[in-house]
Amino acid sequence: EPEVTQTPSHQVTQMGQEVILRCVPISNHLYFYWYRQILGQKVEFLVSFYNNEISEKSEIFDDQFSVERPDGSNFTLKIRSTKLEDSAMYFCAIQRDYEQYFGPGTRLTVT
Amino acid sequence: RKEVEQDPGPFNVPEGATVAFNCTYSNSASQSFFWYRQDCRKEPKLLMSVYSSGNEDGRFTAQLNRASQYISLLIRDSKLSDSATYLCVVNPDGGSGTSYGKLTFGQGTILTVHP
Repeated sequence: EPEVTQTPSHQVTQMGQEVILRCVPISNHLYFYWYRQILGQKVEFLVSFYNNEISEKSEIFDDQFSVERPDGSNFTLKIRSTKLEDSAMYFCAIQRDYEQYFGPGTRLTVT
Repeated sequence: RKEVEQDPGPFNVPEGATVAFNCTYSNSASQSFFWYRQDCRKEPKLLMSVYSSGNEDGRFTAQLNRASQYISLLIRDSKLSDSATYLCVVNPDGGSGTSYGKLTFGQGTILTVHP
């Protein structure tokens, strides 16, 4: 059974629109991460979230990105005004015993 | 120098072959090391953590050489199902300061095992 699920599996949006990607952990975790992978490129760290706060973010994670855990369970990544270059797979990850386990990802396509 | 560097391959091997992947990392302070595998358009899946003493899990053996900043993965008796991209992954900070948990990925090495 996966540690985390993600919805939607595929999101198509127009440039300039807002999208919210969701991550649902199977059990309680303290550490959450978002990564992205542009097609054909390596997986890149976006942000880490611990105890309901951002603990670290990368250069990619600019003002158009935000994360929150609105109901203490789901963990969301919001992109306020999408750009073509935001098209990628977005993976949520949880941490258990110093190891990270990834969700199945959301494929975001910006047109 | 890239933070994590891998030979992209592809490696094409017959079933039953032994294949080795290498990886180098630039941050000498890195503490945690992992191998993940990734199937096409799927999420990275943890294959194994890499410990200083080296570790083995069935057909898979991982080695770490801190002095050379080098990590390796050996796959023995390759199966068709081993075909995937193998990702070398490093936690640059390894648990201290504010970088706890941030993973840095290599580009991946593509493996194809054929009958």
